[in-house]
Amino acid sequence: NAGVTQTPKFRVLKTGQSMTLLCAQDMNHEYMYWYRQDPGMGLRLIHYSVGEGTTAKGEVPDGYNVSRLKKQNFLLGLESAAPSQTSVYFCASSYEQLAGGTDTQYFGPGTRLTVL
Amino acid sequence: RKEVEQDPGPFNVPEGATVAFNCTYSNSASQSFFWYRQDCRKEPKLLMSVYSSGNEDGRFTAQLNRASQYISLLIRDSKLSDSATYLCVVNMRYGGATNKLIFGTGTLLAVQP
Repeated sequence: NAGVTQTPKFRVLKTGQSMTLLCAQDMNHEYMYWYRQDPGMGLRLIHYSVGEGTTAKGEVPDGYNVSRLKKQNFLLGLESAAPSQTSVYFCASSYEQLAGGTDTQYFGPGTRLTVL
Repeated sequence: RKEVEQDPGPFNVPEGATVAFNCTYSNSASQSFFWYRQDCRKEPKLLMSVYSSGNEDGRFTAQLNRASQYISLLIRDSKLSDSATYLCVVNMRYGGATNKLIFGTGTLLAVQP
């Protein structure tokens, strides 16, 4: 099992450019998540999906869009990149949400994005 | 008040020392608690879940105090390889019925030879 993979690993964009980050998992997990991690801020949830064909907004969704056309893939799009979107982006997946609680999340290796 | 708060450290300890981290959370309805470990420039990885009765995994012991809403992690006999950032993670109900994980900003541990 590869677990959770992310492409690309690094990217530099100019302000206004668009790009798509791809996350793939081979664990048959229902739930997938996109986070960003900034110094002193901790991981913040951008968008998430509770199953194929579903997406929902997280804590910081503005400027991002997502799609979950296949169960194993979760795409994060930046429509018009801004310097404030310079960050490390992590994708994660989990098998289920336990009654009243949350299952363990497994993370991809991250994408380091710089917007100039 | 932040939903999950941790002392950012750094905690500089010698090899073999015992070190403890605490974390407080704001939502009394939270039911899942975890410690994740994150190495420099790597992804977070689950270290251990935290159960109500407390649990131990080798040199690592996790405790939960629901009344005071804090979680602790104790590391005994520290190794150089324990150097990392330790993230306190708590679930929180978000957007209706869905639970989400809230991550603390992490506590940096540096074990010195």
